Amino acid sequence: AQSVSQHNHHVILSEAASLELGCNYSYGGTVNLFWYVQYPGQHLQLLLKYFSGDPLVKGIKGFEAEFIKSKFSFNLRKPSVQWSDTAEYFCAVRGRAAGNKLTFGGGTRVLVKP
Amino acid sequence: DGGITQSPKYLFRKEGQNVTLSCEQNLNHDAMYWYRQDPGQGLRLIYYSQIVNDFQKGDIAEGYSVSREKKESFPLTVTSAQKNPTAFYLCASSRPGQNYEQYFGPGTRLTVT
Repeated sequence: AQSVSQHNHHVILSEAASLELGCNYSYGGTVNLFWYVQYPGQHLQLLLKYFSGDPLVKGIKGFEAEFIKSKFSFNLRKPSVQWSDTAEYFCAVRGRAAGNKLTFGGGTRVLVKP
Repeated sequence: DGGITQSPKYLFRKEGQNVTLSCEQNLNHDAMYWYRQDPGQGLRLIYYSQIVNDFQKGDIAEGYSVSREKKESFPLTVTSAQKNPTAFYLCASSRPGQNYEQYFGPGTRLTVT
């Protein structure tokens, strides 16, 4: 079975600070990896995804994530956050043998103070 | 505009009553999903459907039922057998196959008292 672990439940930081959210997964085979974001009062939306190729993936709003296969990790980064990045962030994994089933991490609530 | 609609946004029910949550999509996606979101637990898959008239249990299907009679609709019934039904329910859809992400609706917050 696949599982996803997000280490930080809550993160508080100031504008212009750098952000890194950890995500580790457990699955032995080929995976697709995703980061979704849920802004207050809005739909869950895709930030970025990794299917294959370059392990450094760039997404919307200046976010990027790096897939490190040897560490089973897919950490999300942003060099300089803004107040509008306040949201809940979810890492998700889809094992190739699991069909279209996504497994989500527990989420990380990020609060950016102006 | 293409998208996923869920109604209602807030739903209140008394314990012991069944309740059906609506999910409609006009994205022409074959696959649809229902998740439950609880604080600190992320999203957990309840049921999913890859094609009309077919669906499979997810990780937490007990106490729930679904139907998929039309491509664009995937209603979820929360039955009285669900021990802890109060939660935020999210519907999603995607194209079939490995190379597509899931798109999510706005969710329905169900409160059972």
